[in-house]
Amino acid sequence: DTGVSQNPRHKITKRGQNVTFRCDPISEHNRLYWYRQTLGQGPEFLTYFQNEAQLEKSRLLSDRFSAERPKGSFSTLEIQRTEQGDSAMYLCASSSRDGSYEQYFGPGTRLTVT
Amino acid sequence: EDQVTQSPEALRLQEGESSSLNCSYTVSGLRGLFWYRQDPGKGPEFLFTLYSAGEEKEKERLKATLTKKESFLHITAPKPEDSATYLCAVQAVGGAQKLVFGQGTRLTINP
Repeated sequence: DTGVSQNPRHKITKRGQNVTFRCDPISEHNRLYWYRQTLGQGPEFLTYFQNEAQLEKSRLLSDRFSAERPKGSFSTLEIQRTEQGDSAMYLCASSSRDGSYEQYFGPGTRLTVT
Repeated sequence: EDQVTQSPEALRLQEGESSSLNCSYTVSGLRGLFWYRQDPGKGPEFLFTLYSAGEEKEKERLKATLTKKESFLHITAPKPEDSATYLCAVQAVGGAQKLVFGQGTRLTINP
């Protein structure tokens, strides 16, 4: 079990550019989640997939954010026209279908918008 | 709206000095309460899940307890390597899968 992986680990971009992050969940975990965390705060939920279906989206997820999980495996989170307020740690988590509800987090992608 | 409040925001202890962290929550119906540990620059690391009032879980120097309104994370004889931010989160019953987190308690253990 190799754990949740995220790429890239760090991303610096200029305001107005588009960025895309990737998350590979623990193998055979059918549930995948994206969260955002700013300094000194707990993670905030963004969106949730069960297999390839996006079942929940937070009001935090503006029209500039889009997430996909083709074929129910890895997921991507894209931010279009980045703003300085998008600077944060973007965390991915996964959980299994066996009835336990623990979510296992990846190392995160640190986004800095200049 | 589901809400989690953790106290204190920061706690500094001497090695071996036991203490407790508090997590107060309001939730429409509790499916589970989760404790995570987070080191700087890393993702949260799962510690415990508690499902019902009166439940307790232990792992090394850590013990988590749950009541209908709050949870405590007790740290017994801590070591410097226990220094981290401890996060509490709740998940509500029903279709929602999201975790609602508190802001965390930043724990520092001085040798």
